[in-house]
Amino acid sequence: NAGVTQTPKFQVLKTGQSMTLQCAQDMNHEYMSWYRQDPGMGLRLIHYSVGAGITDQGEVPNGYNVSRSTTEDFPLRLLSAAPSQTSVYFCASSTGTGFSSGTDTQYFGPGTRLTVL
Amino acid sequence: SQQGEEDPQALSIQEGENATMNCSYKTSINNLQWYRQNSGRGLVHLILIRSNEREKHSGRLRVTLDTSKKSSSLLITASRAADTASYFCATDSSASKIIFGSGTRLSIRP
Repeated sequence: NAGVTQTPKFQVLKTGQSMTLQCAQDMNHEYMSWYRQDPGMGLRLIHYSVGAGITDQGEVPNGYNVSRSTTEDFPLRLLSAAPSQTSVYFCASSTGTGFSSGTDTQYFGPGTRLTVL
Repeated sequence: SQQGEEDPQALSIQEGENATMNCSYKTSINNLQWYRQNSGRGLVHLILIRSNEREKHSGRLRVTLDTSKKSSSLLITASRAADTASYFCATDSSASKIIFGSGTRLSIRP
C-alpha cells in the first residue's frame, strides 16, 4: 500500500490565485481530513469527511473547500489564496468507521508546503 | 475548543536518559493519542489510550492517562538520537474529530 499520498510537495502561489491540493489513500478508509500546521504550532483541522459524499468543517475552514466524490480522494481547494494561508498542509485518513471514525488512529501524508506571496 | 496542551514545549536530554512529556486537556475524552513528527515529515501515530485505560506500553514507550486530572504522560526510556522529533498529543473533541496540541520538541544530545 502507498498509504496516504499528497501532491504537490511544494507550491508557490500569488495572492488571489486558486489551486487544488490533492490527497489520495489506498487503505479503503472512510474518514479523511485536512490539517494545516504553522511554524512551531500543532495541527489545526480545516475540513473532514466521514465517507464519500459527506464533508464537514473543522476549526479553520474559511477560504477552503472540499469534496469527497470517492472513498480514495479528498482534494482541498484554495479559492483565492492569501498570505495567511502560507502553511504546511497535511492530509490524513483514519481506520475508524461511522460517526466516531475521526477519533481513531490517523495516517498522515507527507505534507504540501504552500507559500502565498 | 477542547485541546491537549503539551508540557514542556521543548526538552533536551542526553542520549540514554529517559524523556517525559505531559499533556493536559480540558473536557472529558473517549481516547487520547500520541504522535511523533520528524522534521519536515508527516505525523506518525505512536499509541492510543482509551479513557478506561490507565497505562499502555509499546516498546520503549509508556503512556499513562489520569482522567481525574485530565492529563496524560508519554515516557520514552533509554532515549536514542533517532527519538529527536516533536511529539503531539491529540484528544477527541467530538465523535468526528481530534484536536492536536502544540507539541513538545525533543532533542537528544549524543
